Amino acid sequence: QKEVEQNSGPLSVPEGAIASLNCTYSDRGSQSFFWYRQYSGKSPELIMSIYSNGDKEDGRFTAQLNKASQYVSLLIRDSQPSDSATYLCAVTMSSGTYKYIFGTGTRLKVLA
Amino acid sequence: NAGVTQTPKFQVLKTGQSMTLQCAQDMNHNSMYWYRQDPGMGLRLIYYSASEGTTDKGEVPNGYNVSRLNKREFSLRLESAAPSQTSVYFCASSEISPSSYEQYFGPGTRLTVT
Repeated sequence: QKEVEQNSGPLSVPEGAIASLNCTYSDRGSQSFFWYRQYSGKSPELIMSIYSNGDKEDGRFTAQLNKASQYVSLLIRDSQPSDSATYLCAVTMSSGTYKYIFGTGTRLKVLA
Repeated sequence: NAGVTQTPKFQVLKTGQSMTLQCAQDMNHNSMYWYRQDPGMGLRLIYYSASEGTTDKGEVPNGYNVSRLNKREFSLRLESAAPSQTSVYFCASSEISPSSYEQYFGPGTRLTVT
């Protein structure tokens, strides 16, 4: 069974700090990796995608991918209370890029 | 662009009743998906359609059927609803290309089966 693992949290950080969210995956052939933000009662919203090893930055968000360690992370700089949400990690399966496996999410709380 | 739309937003069914959840996307995406989300279980794939005219089972297909009506629309049918199907259902779409596999979600349908 292909798996994506995330710490469920909650991860609490003070306003203005860096929040670090982590995800590991079991399918060594996975090629595409995504971070979604989900507010309570809402649908997942794509915030970052990353396809190659290294860092990818978009505004206050940085995604980091290490395929050798099967690890992907999301850093949120200058965290704001509005960043408080559940963050879902998703990967595509190597057996078919049409299928995505989601982690159960990490709940982030940014304290004002 | 509306993106991905779903109807209805909320539904209450009695055990044994049937219903169809509707999904449409206006992004000209080839692939469409149905997920369910339960507390502590994350998003689980029910069925997906890689392209118009094809459908395939996901992780939890039992009790569901799907129809890819055309490129825009992908419906999910519960033939005989059971309390275990109480969940939030999300439809999603993506354009699978060499440079992008990004998936976008609809607003969801909250289904309660009593």
